[in-house]
Amino acid sequence: EIVLTQSPGTLSLSPGERATLSCRASQSISSSYLAWYQQKPGQAPRLLIYGASSRATGIPDTFSGSGSGADFTLTISRLEPEDFAVYFCQQYGNSPITFGQGTRLEIK
Amino acid sequence: EVQLVESGGGLVQPGESLRLSCAVSGFTFSSYVMSWVRQAPGKGLERVSGITGSGGGTYYADSVKGRFTISRDNSKNTLYLQMNSLRADDTAIYYCARGGSGVVFEYWGQGTLVTVSS
Repeated sequence: EIVLTQSPGTLSLSPGERATLSCRASQSISSSYLAWYQQKPGQAPRLLIYGASSRATGIPDTFSGSGSGADFTLTISRLEPEDFAVYFCQQYGNSPITFGQGTRLEIK
Repeated sequence: EVQLVESGGGLVQPGESLRLSCAVSGFTFSSYVMSWVRQAPGKGLERVSGITGSGGGTYYADSVKGRFTISRDNSKNTLYLQMNSLRADDTAIYYCARGGSGVVFEYWGQGTLVTVSS
């Protein structure tokens, strides 16, 4: 099973700042089957990034994904108030599909 | 518009059963692998089960193997999860999602809460 470790656990930033979230896999992820999701309280996860760097439909270009192999990054270039939420990474190339434990992005 | 609507959650006692349903619209249901993903209160995400478009292939997490059964009725555009021998640690919000191995979870339902408690 591929274990995904996200860091930091909590990130405190102000609107307008840049956020960098990390996701490290216990082994290389095949074909960059790495996704990022945003989850707000009381809501289902929302797909942001798939294939490590492709934005999902309707996702603003302030969100970007990068990385390969076992190290991946989600960057939010300029934080808006609505971006404060929990972010999960997921690998969907190897069975079982696994998720990271999440990074909470909170307003400083 | 793609919609996934779960139903069937509730409060049950340990050892009891529940069947969850997920009614789908807005896409050709039979063409997609579907999954059930759960989230315990305040915790992360766990894919508990998946099924291929035809229904011929299934996946179960070790935590539910032998207790849960996934199925689908492509004529009714509906996904199911039969949950037997429920335990307290099955308490979670259960989401249905379009996607599975090799296919990202692009669409999610709003979730249905399952609480197992005496």
